[in-house]
Amino acid sequence: EAGVTQFPSHSVIEKGQTVTLRCDPISGHDNLYWYRRVMGKEIKFLLHFVKESKQDESGMPNNRFLAERTGGTYSTLKVQPAELEDSGVYFCASSFHPRGSPLHFGNGTRLTVT
Amino acid sequence: AQSVTQLDSHVSVSEGTPVLLRCNYSSSYSPSLFWYVQHPNKGLQLLLKYTSAATLVKGINGFEAEFKKSESSFHLTKPSAHMSDAAEYFCVVSDTNTGNQFYFGTGTSLTVIP
Repeated sequence: EAGVTQFPSHSVIEKGQTVTLRCDPISGHDNLYWYRRVMGKEIKFLLHFVKESKQDESGMPNNRFLAERTGGTYSTLKVQPAELEDSGVYFCASSFHPRGSPLHFGNGTRLTVT
Repeated sequence: AQSVTQLDSHVSVSEGTPVLLRCNYSSSYSPSLFWYVQHPNKGLQLLLKYTSAATLVKGINGFEAEFKKSESSFHLTKPSAHMSDAAEYFCVVSDTNTGNQFYFGTGTSLTVIP
């Protein structure tokens, strides 16, 4: 089966610009998660979708971040306007069922804001 | 509340010697525990998982981990390190009651010396 795919793999933008990250989960996985790792620090939870609904968005840093999952398939994470501190690696993960099932990760999008 | 502590940020071993990466967790309920590995510029790959079955869990690439409830530990071991094991390792806990969030340790960087 195809794994979790993320696009783009790298993005370099200037402060104030907008960037949209995309994640395609494994087919049939209702649960989709976004995580972020900044400058080699810990991996932090951003939000969790169950199908198209936001189950938990407590990790979203501020209202410059907007996540969507139209139709419960792929998801996008938009940062608008981007700030320097948004630089990091954004990981998407999916799972079939939350209870005891592992996360399957994409390769991440490395975002650099200059 | 759940949390994960990886006791060593960096571990260096010689090729062919044993590997021990330590992880302690706190969980209010019955946890699911995972170890993931991340090679440079790659996503996180599942090594193994514990979900209340056998306490000694065998994973890929010769790794295994033992769940010790009395010590709240889930240390990762491998009898003989290989050069290809050099990577970053993450211990992750998920609460099986809610199952919605995964809590990550800060990671342990493993260096294998030839």
